[in-house]
Amino acid sequence: DTEVTQTPKHLVMGMTNKKSLKCEQHMGHRAMYWYKQKAKKPPELMFVYSYEKLSINESVPSRFSPECPNSSLLNLHLHALQPEDSALYLCASSQSHAGTSTDTQYFGPGTRLTVL
Amino acid sequence: AQKVTQAQTEISVVEKEDVTLDCVYETRDTTYYLFWYKQPPSGELVFLIRRNSFDEQNEISGRYSWNFQKSTSSFNFTITASQVVDSAVYFCALSEAHSNDYKLSFGAGTTVTVRA
Repeated sequence: DTEVTQTPKHLVMGMTNKKSLKCEQHMGHRAMYWYKQKAKKPPELMFVYSYEKLSINESVPSRFSPECPNSSLLNLHLHALQPEDSALYLCASSQSHAGTSTDTQYFGPGTRLTVL
Repeated sequence: AQKVTQAQTEISVVEKEDVTLDCVYETRDTTYYLFWYKQPPSGELVFLIRRNSFDEQNEISGRYSWNFQKSTSSFNFTITASQVVDSAVYFCALSEAHSNDYKLSFGAGTTVTVRA
């Protein structure tokens, strides 16, 4: 089973709202990722958690706040977003049992976010 | 510098035609991994194949085949007897072992449209 689930599938929010994206995997993977993808572009890495600790933050604005409550869950908290933050947000996970960074990343279906 | 180049932006074929997607990569690492992902209109990135730099054996999986050539730094992907369900954006990606940064360097993607 290589399933990564994400909720919600679609989200529309105003610039003053606070919302959260949720990602879950039950493959025992120890690395989890958030990506942002604009239309007709490849995904861009935002954050990486390895063994539930933030490993990489790709200079993402603080209005995006990741959280990894346990090894299966990854959240992305959104606050005071801008219209240009509208995009597809993809979650991924990889085995990384020895802390390796090159294992296959398995992606979820994404959340399509629209900021009004 | 762009690490992965997918020179073909869009390819349109008629059903049952073969289609080959080009991928050229650039790295100084001796240990690296190459990937292909498929992204249908629904948005989810579907993992297709992972290849390490020490394994130049070509691979066939059903109607899909991959040709890895280190001499030309290429990892091309062929869909034989294409079907409408193959319509998607296909991404080639590179992961370098010694960077240990979890990053997947994606190409720009090739949009494949298969017409009935």
